[in-house]
Amino acid sequence: QKEVEQDPGPLSVPEGAIVSLNCTYSNSAFQYFMWYRQYSRKGPELLMYTYSSGNKEDGRFTAQVDKSSKYISLFIRDSQPSDSATYLCAMKTQGGSEKLVFGKGTKLTVNP
Amino acid sequence: GAGVSQSPRYKVAKRGQDVALRCDPISGHVSLFWYQQALGQGPEFLTYFQNEAQLDKSGLPSDRFFAERPEGSVSTLKIQRTQQEDSAVYLCASSLGAGAGTDTQYFGPGTRLTVL
Repeated sequence: QKEVEQDPGPLSVPEGAIVSLNCTYSNSAFQYFMWYRQYSRKGPELLMYTYSSGNKEDGRFTAQVDKSSKYISLFIRDSQPSDSATYLCAMKTQGGSEKLVFGKGTKLTVNP
Repeated sequence: GAGVSQSPRYKVAKRGQDVALRCDPISGHVSLFWYQQALGQGPEFLTYFQNEAQLDKSGLPSDRFFAERPEGSVSTLKIQRTQQEDSAVYLCASSLGAGAGTDTQYFGPGTRLTVL
């Protein structure tokens, strides 16, 4: 079993829909949680960064972390065709190595 | 400002050949990371540097993989005697390396390696 599990989809929604993406993890030492967006043939770019449990909002994006359930989510409101990409969750521990552990990524298509 | 750059963007190698992939981090970034991304998968950590020191190489899959950053800036990932299973996108990332947990890793566009 991988440390971070993410449903690869694909996920297809109409423009304007609310999108929910999520990951589960097994390593309780993870303290930092990130969502990256990756367009085709590009490198990942950071969308959201959360420390420990709680919610964080940035424009149309909301990230949630539930450490008790080892479950993180990303919500996208009023989705746009430009949101079509692969969304990767990533995590790292506090102290020790700075390496990120990624999920498999969920491929999202927003249809106009 | 300039982001992380990688070269070449595409590399085709015959099985058994050696390859060298280059990463130019963002100027002033102390930490540099290498990841391998197979088709349809998330990036997998290979190794990382803080300045010229290689602090973690636990993700290197075999002794055919070697990375260096001799002057604490540009880094090279070398793969010897390439195998078909080495075919993947190799991503480089850099960060300020300030030691804060929220230190952001910025990724380059990757080098797509195909081993025939």
